[in-house]
Amino acid sequence: GIQVEQSPPDLILQEGANSTLRCNFSDSVNNLQWFHQNPWGQLINLFYIPSGTKQNGRLSATTVATERYSLLYISSSQTTDSGVYFCAVGDSWGKLQFGAGTQVVVTP
Amino acid sequence: KAGVTQTPRYLIKTRGQQVTLSCSPISGHRSVSWYQQTPGQGLQFLFEYFSETQRNKGNFPGRFSGRQFSNSRSEMNVSTLELGDSALYLCASSLRTDEQYFGPGTRLTVT
Repeated sequence: GIQVEQSPPDLILQEGANSTLRCNFSDSVNNLQWFHQNPWGQLINLFYIPSGTKQNGRLSATTVATERYSLLYISSSQTTDSGVYFCAVGDSWGKLQFGAGTQVVVTP
Repeated sequence: KAGVTQTPRYLIKTRGQQVTLSCSPISGHRSVSWYQQTPGQGLQFLFEYFSETQRNKGNFPGRFSGRQFSNSRSEMNVSTLELGDSALYLCASSLRTDEQYFGPGTRLTVT
């Protein structure tokens, strides 16, 4: 199956700092999503981005499908950005393969 | 539009029992997928249903089963529960095989 690797595994940021999270995947995919898991366990959709670049407020994402990687940018981080960020890639049958996640801690 | 709902939210069962979890997708979505999240294995795909047909299945034992009804609501069942089945079970819905939206999850504890 498709392998998904996220880096770094952990990230500690001071409020206001910028950061980049990376997701590498081992094969071509039909779907790529970024999620933020809240403290109660729910996965919040950040981006659906099989290719190209998207922005939503302080967050943006870029997927270079030909090179099999995606990047999630967090700018001017806030304490509410803390949590686990997951990258997931999907096949043509709707199965999502998740990475291990990046644990982000934003300190005041 | 209402999001994905899952019931119950929390559940405590004893080894050997069985459990049924329910998922109602976003209105109009026909695909429902189930995932298991544990600290050791992370998020793993269980199965996916589209228009009442299972199209894809992950590497889980036969004790894990599911079904989808004509209104797209889905249930998953785990029989003969083991301690290792303690996990957060997440359901996701999508129109077909595109962007998936997740419910709040059911946290199952097996004692």
